[in-house]
Amino acid sequence: GAVVSQHPSRVICKSGTSVKIECRSLDFQATTMFWYRQFPKQSLMLMATSNEGSKATYEQGVEKDKFLINHASLTLSTLTVTSAHPEDSSFYICSASPGGASGEETQYFGPGTRLLVL
Amino acid sequence: AQSVTQLGSHVSVSEGALVLLRCNYSSSVPPYLFWYVQYPNQGLQLLLKYTTGATLVKGINGFEAEFKKSETSFHLTKPSAHMSDAAEYFCAVISGQAGTALIFGKGTTLSVSS
Repeated sequence: GAVVSQHPSRVICKSGTSVKIECRSLDFQATTMFWYRQFPKQSLMLMATSNEGSKATYEQGVEKDKFLINHASLTLSTLTVTSAHPEDSSFYICSASPGGASGEETQYFGPGTRLLVL
Repeated sequence: AQSVTQLGSHVSVSEGALVLLRCNYSSSVPPYLFWYVQYPNQGLQLLLKYTTGATLVKGINGFEAEFKKSETSFHLTKPSAHMSDAAEYFCAVISGQAGTALIFGKGTTLSVSS
């Protein structure tokens, strides 16, 4: 099956610093990647949709200047949490969809990144 | 617009008993439906999906789900629960277009007792 990796799996940082999270599709090309945020005991909340080579589309209420998304290649998308604060602590999960000419609609999820901002 | 409702935030069953997790959807176009499972501190793993064709779909770990258009439902079942099935289960829908985000239900926590 399709594999998506995320790095790091866990990160602890000080308030005010920036954190970059990588999402990679290991065995397929992902024209579209999605970034979700999940609070404890809750469902996944879509933050943004990332298309290779174009600007990400952010969901309402998500600050694009705080959550920078770059999708520079068909196998890599990055999420940078800028000037992180304790309220940004959460579980961040990415997913990737082959899409494109294949019409593959299934999204494959990464293992998630636990961010703790002190 | 699409939406998903999972009835029951918590379901408890005994080992060997039938598992039934309910999911109802709302969609203005033919939906693509998915069930994902999440174990603690992990990402989501695809259990099964319905796109077109046969309405009874079989997935991994003995799970299956049936798409019932008349009832707008996509309930997940497993004949005999195992302890290892204890996890969080999410039902999700998309409009059928590739590159469209998933809309998730709130999730159902499945507990399995011995």
